[in-house]
Amino acid sequence: EIVLTQSPGTLSLSPGERATLSCRASQTLSSSYLAWYQQKPGQAPRLLIYGAYSRATGVPDRFSGSGSGTDFALTISRLEPEDFAVYYCQQCGSSPPCTFGPGTKVDIK
Amino acid sequence: EVQLVESGGGFVKPGGSLRLSCAASGFTVTNAWMSWVRQAPGKGLEWIGRIKSKADGGTADYAAPVKGRFTISGDDSKNALYLQMNSLKSEDTAVYYCTSLAETSDYFDSSGYYSEDWGQGTLVTVSS
Repeated sequence: EIVLTQSPGTLSLSPGERATLSCRASQTLSSSYLAWYQQKPGQAPRLLIYGAYSRATGVPDRFSGSGSGTDFALTISRLEPEDFAVYYCQQCGSSPPCTFGPGTKVDIK
Repeated sequence: EVQLVESGGGFVKPGGSLRLSCAASGFTVTNAWMSWVRQAPGKGLEWIGRIKSKADGGTADYAAPVKGRFTISGDDSKNALYLQMNSLKSEDTAVYYCTSLAETSDYFDSSGYYSEDWGQGTLVTVSS
């Protein structure tokens, strides 16, 4: 099973600042396997990034994905008030199981 | 517009069974790959399993903690996805989400799958 590690556990930033969230895999992944989701309290998760780099429909361009191999990142260029949430990476290829990282909480400093 | 609506959650004793439903609109469930994801109270997301489209064989795969106890299936006539949960344990207490899966591939044609649409979730509580 591929294990995903996310860091930091919590990121405390101010609106307008840049956020960089890390997702590290226990073995090399195809970029197509890697997705990022945002979850706000009391809500279902929402797809942000798929295929490591591609933004989902309706996702603002301040969100971007990068990385390859075992190291991937989600960057929010300038935090808006609505971006304070928990972010999960997930890997899912042809061979199960799919797995999620433990999440990074982005909260207001 | 794609919509997924889960139902069937509730309170059940350890060892009991429950069947969750996920009503889909905007697409045909059995023509898609679908998955179930759960979230224990205050915890992160956990992938439970997925089912392939009928065209791709309709088979299901499961995470180790639920394999042999949970079964995912789809119904054409009701356009619904189901999660049959047997031999429930306290650690199965969670909000359960159904998701539709989409496929993407990289330069080397390696396919990955991501949860494009999510339902609102249904809470299952397993307790004596």
